[in-house]
Amino acid sequence: KAGVTQTPRYLIKTRGQQVTLSCSPISGHRSVSWYQQTPGQGLQFLFEYFSETQRNKGNFPGRFSGRQFSNSRSEMNVSTLELGDSALYLCASSFSTSNTEAFFGQGTRLTVV
Amino acid sequence: GEDVEQSLFLSVREGDSSVINCTYTDSSSTYLYWYKQEPGAGLQLLTYIFSNMDMKQDQRLTVLLNKKDKHLSLRIADTQTGDSAIYFCAESIPGGGADGLTFGKGTHLIIQP
Repeated sequence: KAGVTQTPRYLIKTRGQQVTLSCSPISGHRSVSWYQQTPGQGLQFLFEYFSETQRNKGNFPGRFSGRQFSNSRSEMNVSTLELGDSALYLCASSFSTSNTEAFFGQGTRLTVV
Repeated sequence: GEDVEQSLFLSVREGDSSVINCTYTDSSSTYLYWYKQEPGAGLQLLTYIFSNMDMKQDQRLTVLLNKKDKHLSLRIADTQTGDSAIYFCAESIPGGGADGLTFGKGTHLIIQP
């Protein structure tokens, strides 16, 4: 059974650009959550999608957005990148929204220069 | 609001037991989790415990939950060099709220030969 797949693994962008990250959940899982990990703030919840609907959202500016497709794959987008957006972005997949067992992907390492 | 706290570092000798501690503040937590993160990797779900349980054992791992004191611990028996990683404690609140999983800052487990 394939795990959670995040692409790309690494990205370098310049300030002001936008970026799209992709997450393919475990087959059969319909809930996808996104987290940002930085040395200073640790792991912070961005948002959660279930059945193509955003169910929860963390405390991030509107530059951070996401969506989920009918096949449960999810993308997150960050517009007008800032240096502080440099982080490891992790996607978690779970069968439902209860988060009983959430499985994480390897993450996308975004560096903004 | 919720907060999850862990010590930043723990150093143990190979072959000894490691005990990683965590405290949380939200008494309505339903599930409490332990995740492992190796360098450059995503989060690996190690184990979780439902809030009405006191203990859960899985091979070398033992989780103890003291709900009264809001204290969670992870004991790793016979610690090996491959156990060297960052260990995150996380809590899940009923309904998820806007926060998804709330993580501690992580405990760096250092293994001495």
